[in-house]
Amino acid sequence: AQSVTQLDSHVSVSEGTPVLLRCNYSSSYSPSLFWYVQHPNKGLQLLLKYTSAATLVKGINGFEAEFKKSETSFHLTKPSAHMSDAAEYFCVVSDEGFQKLVFGTGTRLLVSP
Amino acid sequence: SAVISQKPSRDICQRGTSLTIQCQVDSQVTMMFWYRQQPGQSLTLIATANQGSEATYESGFVIDKFPISRPNLTFSTLTVSNMSPEDSSIYLCSVVGFQESYNEQFFGPGTRLTVL
Repeated sequence: AQSVTQLDSHVSVSEGTPVLLRCNYSSSYSPSLFWYVQHPNKGLQLLLKYTSAATLVKGINGFEAEFKKSETSFHLTKPSAHMSDAAEYFCVVSDEGFQKLVFGTGTRLLVSP
Repeated sequence: SAVISQKPSRDICQRGTSLTIQCQVDSQVTMMFWYRQQPGQSLTLIATANQGSEATYESGFVIDKFPISRPNLTFSTLTVSNMSPEDSSIYLCSVVGFQESYNEQFFGPGTRLTVL
């Protein structure tokens, strides 16, 4: 069975500093991995996805993530945080049919001025 | 991408009653999914709804509590039956995309349910 572990429940950064949200996965096959963002009282939005193509994946709003098989990690990064990045971020793994999604517990990103 | 709407967007209900949540998609899709997000928690898959067949429920979820209908390829409903305060959650539907988005899931805005 697939699973993901988000290592931090909260991450606090200052505006303009780098963002790192950590995610480790477990899968019995080559996984498909996603990062979703949920702003307060808003729906879920897909930031980026990895589906066995390039290991460095670029997403929307300047975010990117690197798939590292040797470390079973898929950490999300952004060079410079913006106040509008404050939200809940979910690391997600899917089954081979891209149907059953397993969500991590989420990381709340706080951005201070 | 798919555009998904849900009704109602939020509701406050009394324990023991039932609420039916509607999910409408702007395109025909084979599978629709229902998730629950309890307060401060992550999302958990409740069931997969196929048109023309019974929904498939995940462990811990049963049809008597969460009956699902899927009358056509663009619409589904989830009923939360005999509600208790523990059912207070956000309920979301989702669909798998198509063409270049075949490996993505798109989510509706969610229905925020409070049970008193």
